[in-house]
Amino acid sequence: AQRVTQPEKLLSVFKGAPVELKCNYSYSGSPELFWYVQYSRQRLQLLLRHISRESIKGFTADLNKGETSFHLKKPFAQEEDSAMYYCALDIRGSARQLTFGSGTQLTVLP
Amino acid sequence: NAGVTQTPKFQVLKTGQSMTLQCAQDMNHEYMSWYRQDPGMGLRLIHYSVGAGITDQGEVPNGYNVSRSTTEDFPLRLLSAAPSQTSVYFCASSELAGVNEQYFGPGTRLTVT
Repeated sequence: AQRVTQPEKLLSVFKGAPVELKCNYSYSGSPELFWYVQYSRQRLQLLLRHISRESIKGFTADLNKGETSFHLKKPFAQEEDSAMYYCALDIRGSARQLTFGSGTQLTVLP
Repeated sequence: NAGVTQTPKFQVLKTGQSMTLQCAQDMNHEYMSWYRQDPGMGLRLIHYSVGAGITDQGEVPNGYNVSRSTTEDFPLRLLSAAPSQTSVYFCASSELAGVNEQYFGPGTRLTVT
């Protein structure tokens, strides 16, 4: 069965520092990968998806099939980036039956 | 649009009691699903539906029932609550075609004592 691993439960960085949230997956095929974010007292929402190759709020994520990774990166963290981040995988190409990682709580310190 | 709404926000049950978690969406989405979120485990899919009258099991369906009589509503029923069902429950919806974003509700925090 497919699996998503986020090795860091907690991650703290200072404002202006680069940040990387790690995500590794196990699946032999070609998955669709996503990052969802949950800000304090807000709903879980889509941040970005790998097929769009987009940058949202300064975040980017590159799918590395060789390393089976989909790390989320931002060159200069902001305090408003503090949130819970979930990496998610869909093997059916539908973005609906998602397998989530356990999440990383990012705190950006002033 | 209200998006995806869930009621109640909080609920405490005793072991063996039954209850229904409500979920509704006003975006005319065909796809709806229920997840549970447990500490250190992320979100796990319980049941999903691709349209009115059609439901299927996800990763952790035991102890839960669903039905989809309308496009808008997708209630989750706990038949006989157990402490292992203490969790935060999220409902989500999306369009059916293509690779689409899932829209999540605010969650229901359930405690079973």
